[in-house]
Amino acid sequence: AQTVTQSQPEMSVQEAETVTLSCTYDTSENNYYLFWYKQPPSRQMILVIRQEAYKQQNATENRFSVNFQKAAKSFSLKISDSQLGDTAMYFCAFIIRGSTLGRLYFGRGTQLTVWP
Amino acid sequence: DTEVTQTPKHLVMGMTNKKSLKCEQHMGHRAMYWYKQKAKKPPELMFVYSYEKLSINESVPSRFSPECPNSSLLNLHLHALQPEDSALYLCASSRALRGNTEAFFGQGTRLTVV
Repeated sequence: AQTVTQSQPEMSVQEAETVTLSCTYDTSENNYYLFWYKQPPSRQMILVIRQEAYKQQNATENRFSVNFQKAAKSFSLKISDSQLGDTAMYFCAFIIRGSTLGRLYFGRGTQLTVWP
Repeated sequence: DTEVTQTPKHLVMGMTNKKSLKCEQHMGHRAMYWYKQKAKKPPELMFVYSYEKLSINESVPSRFSPECPNSSLLNLHLHALQPEDSALYLCASSRALRGNTEAFFGQGTRLTVV
């Protein structure tokens, strides 16, 4: 079974501070992609960052970076210099590479609030 | 153009109505998806189309009927819905199923069934 666990339903951080969102997952597959999606009140799911499981190097996108620990099946998201516009629901997800099903497995989400 | 466009943005319909949700992308993606999302929950997969053919139906009730007229368009036909079907309906697309790159999502249609 493929599962994603986000153990923090809600988090808050002050503007300009750093926050880390946790995600663990479970799969018996060896080759997959991991994602963090952001869903602000505007509702659109926006891709924040992507990690290929066969790559050791942690992905970074500007203020967003991940800590990918494949053996531990952990994929946390660090947001540096938090901005008010980062307020959103964040979903951790993965997809099996090569699968014909195209199914994204989502966690339950973490609601992040950035305070001024 | 990296957009997935969904129309309408909001829809209120009675339980006896027939309506359709539309989704369009011009990124050349060959996989398209319908998701249903309740408040503060993750999206739940409903249907997957690959090369205009239905690849996955997640045991969705027949009152939801998907259609993929061509590689750029995806419709969801709604008939005799129940109030519990009220939700945000998200469309997504990706390059292809086997490519398994990221999915691009539309802004969704907020559906209310009265």
